[in-house]
Amino acid sequence: DIQMTQSPSTLSASVGDTVTITCRASQNIHSWLAWYQQKAGKAPKLLIQKASSVESEVPSRISGSGSGTVFTLTISSLQPDDFATYYCQQYNSYPYNFGQGTKLEIK
Amino acid sequence: QVHLVESGGGVVQPGGSLRLACTASGYTFSNYGMHWVRQAPGKGLEWVAFIRYDSSNTYYADSVKGRFAVSRDNSKNTLYVQMNSLRSDDTAIYYCTKGHAAVSETWGQGTLVTVSS
Repeated sequence: DIQMTQSPSTLSASVGDTVTITCRASQNIHSWLAWYQQKAGKAPKLLIQKASSVESEVPSRISGSGSGTVFTLTISSLQPDDFATYYCQQYNSYPYNFGQGTKLEIK
Repeated sequence: QVHLVESGGGVVQPGGSLRLACTASGYTFSNYGMHWVRQAPGKGLEWVAFIRYDSSNTYYADSVKGRFAVSRDNSKNTLYVQMNSLRSDDTAIYYCTKGHAAVSETWGQGTLVTVSS
């Protein structure tokens, strides 16, 4: 099975900051990586698929990059709506494991 | 507008069984694979299972293999998961998701399953 490791687990930042979350796969997953955002008490929302393809209606200040085993999610000019938990997920092979999550909190 | 509604959650004793359902609307259900994803209280997301659009293949997480069975009825736009031999660590919110290019494109609101005596 492919293991996904996110860092950091918690990230404190201020409105207007730029932050980066890293996701590492235990083996090559090419670009088969998705990012999700989850707000408290809500279902997750798909942000990015295929490592860098941003879903429509997702703000352009959210971007993804990477391939192989190392991936990043970058959020620039943080807005209050961005404070949430973020998960990566590989879909190169079953089981489609998620990372453990990164909680982005207000400093 | 795609809409997914899970049902069937509740409290069940360890060793018991439960069947969850997910009713889909707003798209052609029979054209898309479907996932189940769960989230234990205060924990992260765990992928549980996937079924192809035509039920030709199913896939499971090791933690549920042999105990859970995913199925679908395309005539009723409904996805199911039969959960047997339930354990306390199966306690979670269970989400169904619409698969698109393998990712979970749209999520339901989830249904809570509590395994407790």
